[in-house]
Amino acid sequence: GAGVSQTPSNKVTEKGKYVELRCDPISGHTALYWYRQSLGQGPEFLIYFQGTGAADDSGLPNDRFFAVRPEGSVSTLKIQRTERGDSAVYLCASSLTPSGSGTDTQYFGPGTRLTVL
Amino acid sequence: AQSVTQPDIHITVSEGASLELRCNYSYGATPYLFWYVQSPGQGLQLLLKYFSGDTLVQGIKGFEAEFKRSQSSFNLRKPSVHWSDAAEYFCAVVDLSGSARQLTFGSGTQLTVLP
Repeated sequence: GAGVSQTPSNKVTEKGKYVELRCDPISGHTALYWYRQSLGQGPEFLIYFQGTGAADDSGLPNDRFFAVRPEGSVSTLKIQRTERGDSAVYLCASSLTPSGSGTDTQYFGPGTRLTVL
Repeated sequence: AQSVTQPDIHITVSEGASLELRCNYSYGATPYLFWYVQSPGQGLQLLLKYFSGDTLVQGIKGFEAEFKRSQSSFNLRKPSVHWSDAAEYFCAVVDLSGSARQLTFGSGTQLTVLP
């Protein structure tokens, strides 16, 4: 079946601009995660959705970052007033059930490479 | 807080040789451990996972990993590497301290396979 998809695959923007990154999780997956992967590093957690609500946004670096999931499926990560330091690959992952146990597998999308000039 | 260390940034092996990628974790309780592989332009793919039970875990593509509590390690192994195994490999642990159960990743090991 279809995996996690993310659009666009690449996004180039100028410093100070606003960007939106989209994630389409696997159908039926209720849990959705956003991670950020900087060059030469492993992915770092940003935010977690259980259904429509952001259950944990402790990884968001500052208030320029915001994410929504209005219907409990597609999610959009929004970055205001982009800075050069925001340049990274933004990864989305989904898992089937509420991950109360921590044993659910997270399935990752291919990511969006964001470049801020 | 939990953490994961992958001591080797880059490893080069010849095709057909055996492989071991190191992973050390820092976590107070029994960790939930994962190995993912990332190829260029592709998302992270799960190779294997450990939650409990048998400390030797079998995964996809001929990979296995062994959990050693005494050494706080979860090293990934493959007896004979194929050229298609060239990729970046990430070890991760689940953060059980909050509700998100997010993954905490190591910084990765880049694997190069020589013909």
